[in-house]
Amino acid sequence: RKEVEQDPGPFNVPEGATVAFNCTYSNSASQSFFWYRQDCRKEPKLLMSVYSSGNEDGRFTAQLNRASQYISLLIRDSKLSDSATYLCVVSRTGGYQKVTFGIGTKLQVIP
Amino acid sequence: NAGVTQTPKFRVLKTGQSMTLLCAQDMNHEYMYWYRQDPGMGLRLIHYSVGEGTTAKGEVPDGYNVSRLKKQNFLLGLESAAPSQTSVYFCASSYGPGWDEQYFGPGTRLTVT
Repeated sequence: RKEVEQDPGPFNVPEGATVAFNCTYSNSASQSFFWYRQDCRKEPKLLMSVYSSGNEDGRFTAQLNRASQYISLLIRDSKLSDSATYLCVVSRTGGYQKVTFGIGTKLQVIP
Repeated sequence: NAGVTQTPKFRVLKTGQSMTLLCAQDMNHEYMYWYRQDPGMGLRLIHYSVGEGTTAKGEVPDGYNVSRLKKQNFLLGLESAAPSQTSVYFCASSYGPGWDEQYFGPGTRLTVT
């Protein structure tokens, strides 16, 4: 089983729609969780950290469910500019603090 | 403030040739990383460094070497390139270890023929 699993998509949604992605992780010792955004042929950039209490940044909401070992990202009122690949990132202590990237979920927002 | 820069942006090598990828950061970060990204596999850590003069192996270190002689620079070397090393290589840096945001360079697209 992969340490971090994501549905690669693509998720094709119309502008204005709400879309949600989940990411599951296998190691219960995982401590830190992030969502990164990667535009086509560009580098990943941090979108938001995911805290135990959940967090919200404008149209974006991230949540953590430790019992079921998944994190989620909700995007409300999708914009064309939200089209990108969203990478789930999980880290845990293991040498230097092992960081594992998911393969990413591709989102395409359609006019 | 340029952040993380990488050179070159593109390169085509023949099997058996060698090359060095240069990563530079101007954020005074202690931690630096080299990743490769391949379709369907996500980012995989090749080597990393927790400070000037230190290096350590990541998940897929075979065929690569690294050096960090200066805090701001992290070099990735391919001694004898193989087609399996065709990939996009990203350098990243962070202030702290895995719990801290990583800042990525723009990537190097390497093709080995």
